[in-house]
Amino acid sequence: DAGITQSPRHKVTETGTPVTLRCHQTENHRYMYWYRQDPGHGLRLIHYSYGVKDTDKGEVSDGYSVSRSKTEDFLLTLESATSSQTSVYFCAISVSNEKLFFGSGTQLSVL
Amino acid sequence: DAKTTQPPSMDCAEGRAANLPCNHSTISGNEYVYWYRQIHSQGPQYIIHGLKNNETNEMASLIITEDRKSSTLILPHATLRDTAVYYCIVRVAYNNNDMRFGAGTRLTVKP
Repeated sequence: DAGITQSPRHKVTETGTPVTLRCHQTENHRYMYWYRQDPGHGLRLIHYSYGVKDTDKGEVSDGYSVSRSKTEDFLLTLESATSSQTSVYFCAISVSNEKLFFGSGTQLSVL
Repeated sequence: DAKTTQPPSMDCAEGRAANLPCNHSTISGNEYVYWYRQIHSQGPQYIIHGLKNNETNEMASLIITEDRKSSTLILPHATLRDTAVYYCIVRVAYNNNDMRFGAGTRLTVKP
């Protein structure tokens, strides 16, 4: 599983509250990614990181911010959660710039 | 702007070969063909990738046509655990930021 851990696995929150999802890796890979998966849209890239403090936007970055202060941790923050951000969130790492390995996902419900 | 076209669903008998087709008629010379799968609600799992030659690993074989406009993923002896959604993706080498997951093919392996 390439040593990826996502936390929490499930979260229910209310509209307007801040939420932070954590992705932790144990193998010092440079590239890390956050995706969301919704019915009818497949997996879509939110943000990615190519090193400590180096991040960039993906396809659906509005409403999300990320931070990477350590190689092993990539945080995804919803500053003010909305119902449209109810989704399954997957973190991934890139191995040898070829393959992506994904975490087990976080199911987020915004009520 | 999907780069690949896959049938939405397929069935396969347990123990038989599963052949999953993918059309990528607009593929560029520097784009690779990747296959991932997603079992139930787990994170996607890398299967195999190739540029123009056929590839085989412990999970599957990838057959790419000579004009590279289509490919077939072959699971030689499908098991019930191979029931999943299979994604065919084309991307430029070393550019995981451009991994676009479409709807994929839902493969159901039946006893």
